Order: sequence, then structure tokens, then C-alpha cells
Amino acid sequence: TQLLEQSPQFLSIQEGENLTVYCNSSSVFSSLQWYRQEPGEGPVLLVTVVTGGEVKKLKRLTFQFGDARKDSSLHITAAQTGDTGLYLCAGVRGNEKLTFGTGTRLTIIP
Amino acid sequence: DTGVSQDPRHKITKRGQNVTFRCDPISEHNRLYWYRQTLGQGPEFLTYFQNEAQLEKSRLLSDRFSAERPKGSFSTLEIQRTEQGDSAMYLCASSLLAGRDTDTQYFGPGTRLTVL
Repeated sequence: TQLLEQSPQFLSIQEGENLTVYCNSSSVFSSLQWYRQEPGEGPVLLVTVVTGGEVKKLKRLTFQFGDARKDSSLHITAAQTGDTGLYLCAGVRGNEKLTFGTGTRLTIIP
Repeated sequence: DTGVSQDPRHKITKRGQNVTFRCDPISEHNRLYWYRQTLGQGPEFLTYFQNEAQLEKSRLLSDRFSAERPKGSFSTLEIQRTEQGDSAMYLCASSLLAGRDTDTQYFGPGTRLTVL
């Protein structure tokens, strides 16, 4: 059972468009992380957000942590084909084990 | 390459057979985690070690599963009497517990298990 629900589950858009992926939970986390996973590889950490309301930017990617530290969003501006992949959010509580979301599979069409 | 490595990358076995996977963490990382990822889902936590001590096991880890980290370096995950439901990607991650709130976990490429 995944405690973190991501939406949408699948997203296919044209190169150059903007998109937002959501990660929602009824639980509070001490921090939240976003990962990207390529086929046949393990997840790679993109960002960690810690403070409620925090916004972090990584080039064209903007990450926001909800005020109540239960939800997060990832916004990509001017998507590129290299952004294609599985995006996973993961909540951190206590002993550092990660609780992953259900994942959003993003496909950018050239 | 000094990242997390896993062996084998792929394993096909018949139902009822035993399998063992190995994970070599990043050198000097004291924490090691095992996760399982089924198709279309995010990874699910199985167990983790701090040095050689196994500190937590998920309810997902039935008694057919056993993990060890005998010298606090590499770890093995064994599945006995495999079932078709065990088919998944088994991911290993390591981190360095350094007193901060969140320590980055670095993931290996995973071992994809297929049980026929």
C-alpha cells in the first residue's frame, strides 16, 4: 500500500510544453524527496525539500513542499525529451527509510 | 565506478528455487537499504542495516526472505522457495548517517527477478 499518491500516473506532452506533477499524502513527513528513474536503473535523487512551503528550483524544474508538509509538486517548464522518465516522490520520517509514491511516467514527444 | 553495485542485474528462476542477490554499497556508507519495486509502482521498503545490524524489517519481508550484512560492507538478500509474486526489481541503496536530518540514499541499478 502506497501512502503517497502521485498524479497523473501517466503524462505525455509535446516538447516545449509545461507540466506539473503532484504528490499527495494524508501523513506528515519531516522531508520529501523527488527522484527520477530511467528504465533498468535505480532512482536518482533530484531534490530534498524540508520546510513547509519551501520552493526549490533546479534549472527548469521547480519543486514545492506544501505548508502542512503532506504534499508536494514538481513543475517542469519547457519540457525537453531528456526529461522523459519515471518521477517518484518519497517521504522521509524518522529513521530515514523512504516511503515512495506511486510514480508518474512522463513522456516528452519531440 | 564508486557507486552502489548489484549482482546479478537479471535473474530468471523457476518457482520453488532459492535465489540470492548481492549489493555492494558505496565505500564507507554505514547504512544499507533493500527495496522492492513491481512494475508500474514506486519502490517499497523491505529492510535496512546500520553497519552489520539489521534495524528494521517490513511486513513485506516474509519468512522466506532473509538479508544479511555480515561485515558491515556488502549485503545479500536471499529468497527461498520463490513464488511468481516475488517477480520484481530488487533495489539496494546506501547512505552515510552523519547526524543530519536527511541523508541522501544512493541507489544501485537493481536486480530484476523473474519467477516462472
